[in-house]
Amino acid sequence: NAGVTQTPKFRILKIGQSMTLQCTQDMNHNYMYWYRQDPGMGLKLIYYSVGAGITDKGEVPNGYNVSRSTTEDFPLRLELAAPSQTSVYFCASSYSSGGANHEQYFGPGTRLTVT
Amino acid sequence: GDSVTQMEGPVTLSEEAFLTINCTYTATGYPSLFWYVQYPGEGLQLLLKATKADDKGSNKGFEATYRKETTSFHLEKGSVQVSDSAVYFCALSDGGTGGFKTIFGAGTRLFVKA
Repeated sequence: NAGVTQTPKFRILKIGQSMTLQCTQDMNHNYMYWYRQDPGMGLKLIYYSVGAGITDKGEVPNGYNVSRSTTEDFPLRLELAAPSQTSVYFCASSYSSGGANHEQYFGPGTRLTVT
Repeated sequence: GDSVTQMEGPVTLSEEAFLTINCTYTATGYPSLFWYVQYPGEGLQLLLKATKADDKGSNKGFEATYRKETTSFHLEKGSVQVSDSAVYFCALSDGGTGGFKTIFGAGTRLFVKA
């Protein structure tokens, strides 16, 4: 199993440009998440999905969009990039049939700089 | 709402020293508790977990005990190594509030000197 994979690893965008961060998991997990981690800070939840076709906002959704057409893929779209979106983005997944034991598996991250 | 508070870093120790990183939580339900570790340039990975009161999670010499009476889940290691240098995150997942979402602490950076 490759686990959770993310592409690209690094990207530099100009203000106003758009891009899609790709995330794929091969563990058949039903839950998927997008976080951002600013330098020296913890994780902030951007969007999450509880299954294919279902997505919902997290703590900091503004400026982002997601879709979940398959169990495996959960791309994050940045529209009109702004310097405030400079961060490291992590995708994660977890599986649960109920209850609270949602240990998450993380991808290696995408380091994005907006200038 | 649910929250996790962990001690601020950085924590700097010499090799073979004893490590404690404090973590306390607030939750309305019966959460599972986790410690994640993030090595430089990598994503987070699960270090250990405990799913009910008095459970002890352990892995790679690290331990943490779920203390419901003090709402704490402190991370300990008896003898740290340089390779333990990383950022450690305490987290909770509270199914009682429909919480498949995980609440993370701010992270504590550990430096271990040779």
